[in-house]
Amino acid sequence: QTVVTQEPSFSVSPGGTVTLTCGLSSGSVSSGYYPSWYQQTPGQAPRTLIYMTDTRSSGVPDRFSGSILGNKATLTITGAQADDESDYYCMLYLGRGIVGFGGGTKLTVL
Amino acid sequence: EVQLLESGGDLVQPGESLSLSCAASGFTFSTYAMTWVRQAPGKGLVWVSSINTNGGTTDYADSVKGRFTISRDNSKNTLYLQMNGLRAEDTAVYYCAKALRSNHYYGVDVWGQGTTVTVSS
Repeated sequence: QTVVTQEPSFSVSPGGTVTLTCGLSSGSVSSGYYPSWYQQTPGQAPRTLIYMTDTRSSGVPDRFSGSILGNKATLTITGAQADDESDYYCMLYLGRGIVGFGGGTKLTVL
Repeated sequence: EVQLLESGGDLVQPGESLSLSCAASGFTFSTYAMTWVRQAPGKGLVWVSSINTNGGTTDYADSVKGRFTISRDNSKNTLYLQMNGLRAEDTAVYYCAKALRSNHYYGVDVWGQGTTVTVSS
């Protein structure tokens, strides 16, 4: 069974740039997996950031960007702010109607 | 304003059943697929099930297949999740989410606030 992989944790300095990745236990991520990204702070519902690889959801600032680099989908935060400290999840379409979330990346801004 | 409001979460015993609802407003419900996602305490997001616009196509995670049934009533703008044979590992916050298109492959763009299901004796 294919597993969606993410870094468990990452840290970035305020104002810095960080790139989170979303991969597969077997194979490469392409646009056909329709990668999407979600942000969640403790006790809150998730918020959609990016869908279909690189399209920002309504109201999401342009310092959040998505792409595919090498064999993974990526979420890049440019000019990190304190309130970017959250959990970030990617989701991929795995085929035959099945979607999968990664385990999430806990981002610390310090 | 697009809104999703889940209800029906409760404390139940193992083996019991529970039905969740998700009332949608602010968009044309019948033209979007819908999805349920859950999150166990302290854990990550897990896809549970999705349904297309007319209910003719449903998909389930292996962990709930055969026990959970997703359905929708487009006349009532409401999504449902019937959960049978509940297990302790089904304990989670259940989120309803609106898909981006008529199928759920491309992701979701709107989330409800969630409803809590606790399975315990």
